[in-house]
Amino acid sequence: AQSVTQLGSHVSVSEGALVLLRCNYSSSVPPYLFWYVQYPNQGLQLLLKYTSAATLVKGINGFEAEFKKSETSFHLTKPSAHMSDAAEYFCAVSDPWGKLTFGQGTILTVHP
Amino acid sequence: DTAVSQTPKYLVTQMGNDKSIKCEQNLGHDTMYWYKQDSKKFLKIMFSYNNKELIINETVPNRFSPKSPDKAHLNLHINSLELGDSAVYFCASSLAQGGGTEAFFGQGTRLTVV
Repeated sequence: AQSVTQLGSHVSVSEGALVLLRCNYSSSVPPYLFWYVQYPNQGLQLLLKYTSAATLVKGINGFEAEFKKSETSFHLTKPSAHMSDAAEYFCAVSDPWGKLTFGQGTILTVHP
Repeated sequence: DTAVSQTPKYLVTQMGNDKSIKCEQNLGHDTMYWYKQDSKKFLKIMFSYNNKELIINETVPNRFSPKSPDKAHLNLHINSLELGDSAVYFCASSLAQGGGTEAFFGQGTRLTVV
């Protein structure tokens, strides 16, 4: 069984500030982990993924995430927020057959 | 070119009706999925097909029936629609069946049952 918990359903930052979105996972097998972003009325777009290579994963739009097995975490960060980063972010874990289990999502608001 | 396309984008229908949502991918992927996003934005897998073969069938009411005429298409037919079926339904595809492969999502179909 696998599950994902995203701490904080809403995160608000100022433009230029650090973005930190938290994700903890539970998996009975070595996990494949993903972060997706959803803009209003759109589908999900992959930001980055972890597939047991480097623990620090770089994605699109300046985002990165670090896999920490001891903490069962895969937090998403970006050094400097842009207004265009405002969206909903989903962390997900995949089983070996590609079934994605998503967290409940975190809405990121960026203030000028 | 849209990689994963769904039609229609919006669907409003009455309880008890039967409706279908179509999905097509032009990425040459082998695996396709249906996910449901409820009103609280929670996403849950419904079905997965690999090369037209059903692989994943979550605990979905049997009023929902997926059909894959070929590996580029995965349609979702829903019988006897209920109010609780109102949600956004996302089709997705991935290159192959496997944990590390990226899923590409369509734009979603917002189904409203009245």
